[in-house]
Amino acid sequence: DQQVKQNSPSLSVQEGRISILNCDYTNSMFDYFLWYKKYPAEGPTFLISISSIKDKNEDGRFTVFLNKSAKHLSLHIVPSQPGDSAVYFCAATLLNTGTASKLTFGTGTRLQVTL
Amino acid sequence: DAGVTQSPTHLIKTRGQQVTLRCSPKSGHDTVSWYQQALGQGPQFIFQYYEEEERQRGNFPDRFSGHQFPNYSSELNVNALLLGDSALYLCASSLGLANQETQYFGPGTRLLVL
Repeated sequence: DQQVKQNSPSLSVQEGRISILNCDYTNSMFDYFLWYKKYPAEGPTFLISISSIKDKNEDGRFTVFLNKSAKHLSLHIVPSQPGDSAVYFCAATLLNTGTASKLTFGTGTRLQVTL
Repeated sequence: DAGVTQSPTHLIKTRGQQVTLRCSPKSGHDTVSWYQQALGQGPQFIFQYYEEEERQRGNFPDRFSGHQFPNYSSELNVNALLLGDSALYLCASSLGLANQETQYFGPGTRLLVL
């Protein structure tokens, strides 16, 4: 049972444009969401997160939006840069049960930013 | 400051064999989690160690076991290997049990079971 889903395996965006990566979840108990970026031969690196009490969190070029009623979140990258080319994983966890470091990941979206 | 290190980087085993993977956490971290990432999938949580005890476990059979040493390093052991155990095994470390944002991942060990 895939509790966190990323339905787009890949995305290609031109440099300077906006990249929008989507993620859906089925477990309504999840209350904390994270995005990770992964380059080849490296481990995932934390990018940005959002608590379920918020609907938006921004950090520089990266913004995460959360729609709890739709169980949907998205990561916006503006402007996209070639160095953003990587696999992006959405992850979810239960913050209020003390098990927050147990992450449930989606299957990832490979972002390619072209010149 | 060394990050999370894992050894070996690659490993080839045959079905039925046993394997041990190793992880050294980032300096200052005391909690280690292990994940399995099959091809085309996201990482799946195997278990977490803190104070040398298994604190949480994902949906993995008992063939998967682990250990944490007093220096916080950790091992993942898999017995009776199956073809389906072929995957990238990721180790993540953090300070304390609930620091989800400050989990640092290692580069992983790629295991191939033939």
